[in-house]
Amino acid sequence: EAQVTQNPRYLITVTGKKLTVTCSQNMNHEYMSWYRQDPGLGLRQIYYSMNVEVTDKGDVPEGYKVSRKEKRNFPLILESPSPNQTSLYFCASRGTAVGEQYFGPGTRLTVT
Amino acid sequence: QKEVEQNSGPLSVPEGAIASLNCTYSDRVSQSFFWYRQYSGKSPELIMSIYSNGDKEDGRFTAQLNKASQYVSLLIRDSQPSDSATYLCAVWMAGTASKLTFGTGTRLQVTL
Repeated sequence: EAQVTQNPRYLITVTGKKLTVTCSQNMNHEYMSWYRQDPGLGLRQIYYSMNVEVTDKGDVPEGYKVSRKEKRNFPLILESPSPNQTSLYFCASRGTAVGEQYFGPGTRLTVT
Repeated sequence: QKEVEQNSGPLSVPEGAIASLNCTYSDRVSQSFFWYRQYSGKSPELIMSIYSNGDKEDGRFTAQLNKASQYVSLLIRDSQPSDSATYLCAVWMAGTASKLTFGTGTRLQVTL
């Protein structure tokens, strides 16, 4: 089954404690993205990657890091989480069709 | 001015009626337009794409695009309670790499 997986699905952590949210896709897609979704602000792109070792900032990259060492994996790293990073995070991948993004199930992060 | 604007709703329609969801965008060079559906607590899924002026029909869904007015809409005929969800308009901006810009979404409620 074609899918994007994320882990963990839910995470409660404290300010400053480094965390990583994993993302993996099995569709051999080159393009992968991370979004955060907040009430009233919608989906905003954090980082994206066009291929292995190629990443670039989206609209709200501050406080986040990513890496793309393998085609299937695109982890999101919060080196020092802060309460304003409390949000619902989605990983997505796509093939050559620019708008056809496949989203993971989401990770609900709470930073206290 | 937001790049992609939608009325947040909720838009309430009775079962069997036509639901009309609207979206405006600010960038005249936008080329590709998409509608995603997001059920509460779930991830967005692509339901329609439209690239040229006019109407595109797929089952009970019709997407309408008017580039001169910078306006895209989604009509849902014979609305069902299962159509109750948030509908996200997304626009692919020419000249950007791997970026969809999403509206904040319109929540649709189909009542019995």
